[in-house]
Amino acid sequence: GNSVTQMEGPVTLSEEAFLTINCTYTATGYPSLFWYVQYPGEGLQLLLKATKADDKGSNKGFEATYRKETTSFHLEKGSVQVSDSAVYFCALSDEGGKLIFGQGTELSVKP
Amino acid sequence: KAGVTQTPRYLIKTRGQQVTLSCSPISGHRSVSWYQQTPGQGLQFLFEYFSETQRNKGNFPGRFSGRQFSNSRSEMNVSTLELGDSALYLCASSERTWPYNEQFFGPGTRLTVL
Repeated sequence: GNSVTQMEGPVTLSEEAFLTINCTYTATGYPSLFWYVQYPGEGLQLLLKATKADDKGSNKGFEATYRKETTSFHLEKGSVQVSDSAVYFCALSDEGGKLIFGQGTELSVKP
Repeated sequence: KAGVTQTPRYLIKTRGQQVTLSCSPISGHRSVSWYQQTPGQGLQFLFEYFSETQRNKGNFPGRFSGRQFSNSRSEMNVSTLELGDSALYLCASSERTWPYNEQFFGPGTRLTVL
């Protein structure tokens, strides 16, 4: 079945450091891929998306490229801020429409 | 547009009771999905409703059920609550247009079963 695997957390970085959170997926067909972010006590917010191979999703300085050959969708940001501290979820949407999530990666950014 | 709203935000129940959670989607969205979030199992899909019909169902026991009304609002019901049902229940709405199936989430209902 379809699945998503994310790198284990928590990840602790200093402000202005470079961020990479790895995400790989297993899927039949051509899923859409998403990154969601969850701040403490809140629901999920869509951060970025990509719907086909080689698409690059970007938002608020975050980027991720849909790599079909490596079945990956790694999240990157060039310079993190304290306000980026949150839990990040990689997800895929299959043709049935449901979202399948990775286990989440907690990011903590220290000033 | 207003976002997805969920009520109540917090709920405390005891084992054996039943509970009903409510979700109002973004105006114009006809699809509503429900997810359960727990520290151990992460985010798991419960079911999806589209135009008052269940379109998709996850691997949860029959104690978990839902419905959708003609105005797209949705409710989920859990009967005979167990301790393991303690979780954050998230509702998401979408326009359900493939492949741009972006789902927008509400703040969740935190259910505690004692």
